[in-house]
Amino acid sequence: DAGVIQSPRHEVTEMGQEVTLRCKPISGHNSLFWYRQTMMRGLELLIYFNNNVPIDDSGMPEDRFSAKMPNASFSTLKIQPSEPRDSAVYFCASSGSSEKLFFGSGTQLSVL
Amino acid sequence: KQEVTQIPAALSVPEGENLVLNCSFTDSAIYNLQWFRQDPGKGLTSLLLIQSSQREQTSGRLNASLDKSSGRSTLYIAASQPGDSATYLCATSTNDYKLSFGAGTTVTVRA
Repeated sequence: DAGVIQSPRHEVTEMGQEVTLRCKPISGHNSLFWYRQTMMRGLELLIYFNNNVPIDDSGMPEDRFSAKMPNASFSTLKIQPSEPRDSAVYFCASSGSSEKLFFGSGTQLSVL
Repeated sequence: KQEVTQIPAALSVPEGENLVLNCSFTDSAIYNLQWFRQDPGKGLTSLLLIQSSQREQTSGRLNASLDKSSGRSTLYIAASQPGDSATYLCATSTNDYKLSFGAGTTVTVRA
């Protein structure tokens, strides 16, 4: 298995632009998570999906952030409009019956 | 709210020495505890998962213990190697999905 696949690996954009991050979870995993990692705040859970349904989005910072999971093999995290304080590494992770969490390599987002 | 603390923030040891990494948490009513490894510029890799009913888990040179009553977990890495250099994070969950992460301990193993 290729593991959790995220794209792009790096994204540099200007303030006000729309940013879309993509994730392909491990096949057979029914739970998907989006995390954000910064030096100041560490790892924060943004949103959790179970069987493609959003269960907990309490970590989404504000309405500028949205996430979708149209099917079991694909999820997106969108920021519109982006701001410099959104600069961080965004991770997608998935888990199955073992409850172990498998992370993707992350997207390094820089908003100028 | 669960608070997870890892001390020290960094340590450096010579190759071959055993590593002892500490994790403490404030809410003992945990569902499970996981230890992760993160290499620079990479995602996290799950090393060991301990269920709340377990006292320890072992995988190769790695052993993790859990003492819920005292709110502590320890990760032991035997006979450290330069390839063990990374940041190690501890995370607890108080339900079946929401993890609270520590800030991590950055380990350097000197050849």
